[in-house]
Amino acid sequence: NAGVMQNPRHLVRRRGQEARLRCSPVKGHSHVYWYRQLPEEGLKFMVYLQKENIIDESGMPKERFSAEFPKEGPSILRIQQVVRGDSAAYFCASSPLAAGASSYNSPLHFGNGTRLTVT
Amino acid sequence: EDKVVQSPLSLVVHEGDTVTLNCSYEVTNFRSLLWYKQEKKAPTFLFMLTSSGIEKKSGRLSSILDKKELFSILNITATQTGDSAIYLCAVVGDNNNDMRFGAGTRLTVKP
Repeated sequence: NAGVMQNPRHLVRRRGQEARLRCSPVKGHSHVYWYRQLPEEGLKFMVYLQKENIIDESGMPKERFSAEFPKEGPSILRIQQVVRGDSAAYFCASSPLAAGASSYNSPLHFGNGTRLTVT
Repeated sequence: EDKVVQSPLSLVVHEGDTVTLNCSYEVTNFRSLLWYKQEKKAPTFLFMLTSSGIEKKSGRLSSILDKKELFSILNITATQTGDSAIYLCAVVGDNNNDMRFGAGTRLTVKP
């Protein structure tokens, strides 16, 4: 019963490089959420995806950031041309249903996060 | 805009003390409030609250929701050093598909 798997655990990138963060949800979960956590701050919502669809990307910067959740394979959060301000812990969470689903409220299952450091 | 405010931001106590963590919220069409504990890694689920006035309990931890006053509290009795963590409160409403988290309360329990 594997939980949410994120890799890499730690990622170091120089300014201007690309960062790719991977997330494999709990088996059977088709809803994936990405959060960013800065020091002394809570988890900030970035994007919510279902298989092959972006449902809500209102928390994700419009430039340089993109996310996908293909039919096969993990969800990917991609940050192009990273800057120092992108340094943070990025958490992925999955759920069998949407967090706001009327019929069932399911707590999210979180991965251990990827700590991105931009030098 | 949906908002979740936790207080205090940090708290230092000694083993055996009782602590109360607060979470107030503003959210459109509230559905549920959740508490998570975050140590070094992933947040782990503690409680989900949907109804006012019904206490949820797990060992030394308990939580209650007040939907009229729009807040929840998380109590920890007889604290232990293993309770040291960030405690996150999150709310789910109708107009978004995710949870909105507060900034968390960093609890440090000293021996």
